[in-house]
Amino acid sequence: SQQGEEDPQALSIQEGENATMNCSYKTSINNLQWYRQNSGRGLVHLILIRSNEREKHSGRLRVTLDTSKKSSSLLITASRAADTASYFCATTSGGYQKVTFGIGTKLQVIP
Amino acid sequence: EAGVTQSPTHLIKTRGQQATLRCSPISGHTSVYWYQQALGLGLQFLLWYDEGEERNRGNFPPRFSGRQFPNYSSELNVNALELEDSALYLCASRSRSKGEKLFFGSGTQLSVL
Repeated sequence: SQQGEEDPQALSIQEGENATMNCSYKTSINNLQWYRQNSGRGLVHLILIRSNEREKHSGRLRVTLDTSKKSSSLLITASRAADTASYFCATTSGGYQKVTFGIGTKLQVIP
Repeated sequence: EAGVTQSPTHLIKTRGQQATLRCSPISGHTSVYWYQQALGLGLQFLLWYDEGEERNRGNFPPRFSGRQFPNYSSELNVNALELEDSALYLCASRSRSKGEKLFFGSGTQLSVL
C-alpha cells in the first residue's frame, strides 16, 4: 500500500516560477525523503528530513515537515526546464526501515 | 564507484512464463529493495533484503519471490506471469551504516504479452 500521497499529481509551470509539491502520509515516520525520476528510469535522491526537523534547504530546494499534520512539502525555487521530472516522497518507518513511496507529482517546466 | 546495476534492461515474456531480474548493489551496501512501477503509477514496495535475509515484503502474491546472495546481489523471480505484471522493476541499495538514502538502478522493463 502507498504510504505517501503527493499533491498535485501533475503540475505545469513557466521557467523561473516556483513549484510546490505536497506529500501526506498515514503513520508515524523516522524520516521523509524526496526523490526525482526522469523519464521513467531510476530515482535520484534529493533531500532527507528527519522527524524532529521542521525545515531543510539544499540549493534551490526547500523541504518542510509537519508531523502533527503528517505532511511535507517540497519547494523548488526559480524552476528550470531541466527540473521537468516526476517527484516522489518516501517515508521510512519502523525498526525494519521499510521505505514506502507515494504516487508522485509530475512536474513540467515550460521554457 | 559503480552504481546499482540491473539486468536485463528489457525483458519480454509471454503469459505463464517465468522471469528473473537481477540487481547488483553498490559495493559495501548490504540492503537491497525491489519496487514495481506500473505505467503512470507510483512505486509499489515488493521486497527488502538485508544481510542475506528477507526483512519485509509488500502486498504481492507468492509468485513474486527473490533472494539475496552472499555478495549482496539480488534476484527477483516472477512465476506464472500475468499481463498486469508488465511494469518497470526498480532495485535500490542502501548502506545501513551510512544513512537512509536509497541508490537506484535504471530498472528492468518487463513486458508480458
